[in-house]
Amino acid sequence: AQKITQTQPGMFVQEKEAVTLDCTYDTSDPSYGLFWYKQPSSGEMIFLIYQGSYDQQNATEGRYSLNFQKARKSANLVISASQLGDSAMYFCAMRVPGAQKLVFGQGTRLTINP
Amino acid sequence: DTGVSQDPRHKITKRGQNVTFRCDPISEHNRLYWYRQTLGQGPEFLTYFQNEAQLEKSRLLSDRFSAERPKGSFSTLEIQRTEQGDSAMYLCASSLGTSFSYEQYFGPGTRLTVT
Repeated sequence: AQKITQTQPGMFVQEKEAVTLDCTYDTSDPSYGLFWYKQPSSGEMIFLIYQGSYDQQNATEGRYSLNFQKARKSANLVISASQLGDSAMYFCAMRVPGAQKLVFGQGTRLTINP
Repeated sequence: DTGVSQDPRHKITKRGQNVTFRCDPISEHNRLYWYRQTLGQGPEFLTYFQNEAQLEKSRLLSDRFSAERPKGSFSTLEIQRTEQGDSAMYLCASSLGTSFSYEQYFGPGTRLTVT
């Protein structure tokens, strides 16, 4: 079975600072995909970034990057130059071949202070 | 390009009543998913459709829950004889393609409150 663990219930960061949100995962499948989603207070889950287990380089999407450490089974999200609009819940998720569902962690609430 | 839409956005119902939610996926997406999210938790998978075929159901989906996607376009999720434990956000998502690397695009959710 797949499992995602996010150990930071809440993070508080000053605007313009970089922030790292932790995610560790557990699976016995050699192939898998890791996803990060943002959920503002409005409730919609917004896709941020994807990392495949065989990808050689860390994924990047604008201010978002994924620090993928396969041996440690971690997939931390890094947000550079944080903005007030980054305040939201952030979820790490995993999917394996043959399974259609995303398995989510419990999330981290990020608050950006001005 | 319209995203995934869900209706209604909020539903308050009395225990024992039936409720039905609708999801309209992104038009070219052939895969549609339902998730449930309770307060302070991540979404949990309920069921999945490829076109009109319901291919997977979670054990969370008790016999009071039924989902359909009659023409491979929109989907409905019905909960019969609602219980207070059904209070949650119900999220719909859609995706394109068969690879597990394809991201799922989520709708705004339907927040159900059972009183």
